[in-house]
Amino acid sequence: GAGVSQSPRYKVAKRGQDVALRCDPISGHVSLFWYQQALGQGPEFLTYFQNEAQLDKSGLPSDRFFAERPEGSVSTLKIQRTQQEDSAVYLCASSLKGNAPNTGELFFGEGSRLTVL
Amino acid sequence: GESVGLHLPTLSVQEGDNSIINCAYSNSASDYFIWYKQESGKGPQFIIDIRSNMDKRQGQRVTVLLNKTVKHLSLQIAATQPGDSAVYFCAENSGGSNYKLTFGKGTLLTVNP
Repeated sequence: GAGVSQSPRYKVAKRGQDVALRCDPISGHVSLFWYQQALGQGPEFLTYFQNEAQLDKSGLPSDRFFAERPEGSVSTLKIQRTQQEDSAVYLCASSLKGNAPNTGELFFGEGSRLTVL
Repeated sequence: GESVGLHLPTLSVQEGDNSIINCAYSNSASDYFIWYKQESGKGPQFIIDIRSNMDKRQGQRVTVLLNKTVKHLSLQIAATQPGDSAVYFCAENSGGSNYKLTFGKGTLLTVNP
């Protein structure tokens, strides 16, 4: 596709359910990022992949959060036993090069809005 | 640290006026800064960037100013249009990171026709 695609766009989960959010980056992009954006706040870094390697997962809030990119393209962010505080928009971004964001060529998807009841 | 809350700083301008959006960044080691525009229901969109060896950079209708002494960024939008209405975020490469961004609080810009 022409841009970063995320699915589902909207997800409502009951507290305690597991959810999986998918990101299709722009074809050929080396770097992939996940950010979490709470209501009224700026995005916060979660994790970074270069190809299939997860080089930084320091922003993941707890061990209930897990991200993978097994073939270096599509990525999945999984949240186990969801809690109300997990409610947020989860943004995926990708970049052609391995040293984004310094190039400024970071492209964000439209996000997946998760609501935990 | 940044304040937490649901109420964004807001700026309301008339169509055709110039807009100035301000941002204070947090880390003196950051050396690259970006302004993003985020429309409702969409992801952030790159507007303009600046490196710390510059204090001003101009794009089409936009100018970014950087004051490293007081760790302050501003975004100036000339001849603001209704399509400029959005939330604007400044971001810094966290402490000089070559991949991680730290975003500031957004500012909601509303352009009145």
